[in-house]
Amino acid sequence: SQTIHQWPATLVQPVGSPLSLECTVEGTSNPNLYWYRQAAGRGLQLLFYSVGIGQISSEVPQNLSASRPQDRQFILSSKKLLLSDSGFYLCAWIPGPVTSGNTIYFGEGSWLTVV
Amino acid sequence: AQSVAQPEDQVNVAEGNPLTVKCTYSVSGNPYLFWYVQYPNRGLQFLLKYITGDNLVKGSYGFEAEFNKSQTSFHLKKPSALVSDSALYFCAVRDIGLGSGNTGKLIFGQGTTLQVKP
Repeated sequence: SQTIHQWPATLVQPVGSPLSLECTVEGTSNPNLYWYRQAAGRGLQLLFYSVGIGQISSEVPQNLSASRPQDRQFILSSKKLLLSDSGFYLCAWIPGPVTSGNTIYFGEGSWLTVV
Repeated sequence: AQSVAQPEDQVNVAEGNPLTVKCTYSVSGNPYLFWYVQYPNRGLQFLLKYITGDNLVKGSYGFEAEFNKSQTSFHLKKPSALVSDSALYFCAVRDIGLGSGNTGKLIFGQGTTLQVKP
């Protein structure tokens, strides 16, 4: 079956520390992968998406970066966290091949609090 | 550019009553529309989608949505609300604008909190 795993579930980090959130999917190959951020429990902002290994597109300029070292692995990183990086981070995926009607599925999310 | 609007921050209904959560969209071309539900501290769960075909789409947990092209709306409905339906609901449209390619990206509304009271 197709599943998505996201960790850690909760993270408290001091300002200026590095960040690494990891997401992996199972049961599919060549998925499209996405990182969304949800601030204040409301709107979702797309941060990055990837259509293949090593292919990363950034949606908004920010303090974060993303990498896709393997087909089913997507990592969100920061070298130095800011207070404004706090939020709920959601990894999502579309099982390949991608068509306009495909559904995006979400992981359970990672709560990041920067203190 | 594609966009979606959810005009209500919160909807309150009594258990057993019908519920409607509103969504309007703006797209260039054919709309691909989705509804998701989010329970506290959880990821988003897919409810239903409209791609083509019948205007009334049925989804999970007894939810359905009506696509109305003339009003550019895709309202979420349920005939009889349950307390357990209380959650945050998101409408989304697929971004297939010029230059977007087939990236599969979704653009989300701001969400509507549904509160069902016993």
